[in-house]
Amino acid sequence: SAVISQKPSRDICQRGTSLTIQCQVDSQVTMMFWYRQQPGQSLTLIATANQGSEATYESGFVIDKFPISRPNLTFSTLTVSNMSPEDSSIYLCSVENTDTQYFGPGTRLTVL
Amino acid sequence: GENVEQHPSTLSVQEGDSAVIKCTYSDSASNYFPWYKQELGKGPQLIIDIRSNVGEKKDQRIAVTLNKTAKHFSLHITETQPEDSAVYFCAAPPSGGGADGLTFGKGTHLIIQP
Repeated sequence: SAVISQKPSRDICQRGTSLTIQCQVDSQVTMMFWYRQQPGQSLTLIATANQGSEATYESGFVIDKFPISRPNLTFSTLTVSNMSPEDSSIYLCSVENTDTQYFGPGTRLTVL
Repeated sequence: GENVEQHPSTLSVQEGDSAVIKCTYSDSASNYFPWYKQELGKGPQLIIDIRSNVGEKKDQRIAVTLNKTAKHFSLHITETQPEDSAVYFCAAPPSGGGADGLTFGKGTHLIIQP
């Protein structure tokens, strides 16, 4: 398995601002992912965070809105830019270890 | 891309009874099917998974069955307990193996009635 931590665990932000979420895993992993879970909904993949290259975004998500960094094999950040109330969600980091995906505790974001 | 359908959306069972949650998928090349349990305020926790080379897998009170011909897989929880109350998600990779992000079902809210 993998132990994943995220910072912050929750935040309340004003519209128009940006928030950077950090994800740290306790071992080196090849694959890291970012998901969004809107209130009462399922999980939707935002992007794959690639180490040493640009992230791969899913349809409906763009780099200008959700820039991602992956400086090494244990760390990644997701920024939610120019936030609006529609961005209020849980943002989850996930890693793949031995062909299995594990999730962090999530960051609960509320945009006013 | 992969499409995962999950039923029911809500399931209420008496404590001690069994619960079954079903999912279907669209990509016949998918070969990995995990189930996650999400408790309020927490991230999803992997509870069991199955790969396409087997038809059933058990772990104590939890089992998963897979029918590749019909493209569906199910979660079975026996002797349900209050701590089983949570939202359960099935998932499948978008194509082939598990090196890509997962496509999730919409979730099942399991309620265990005392």
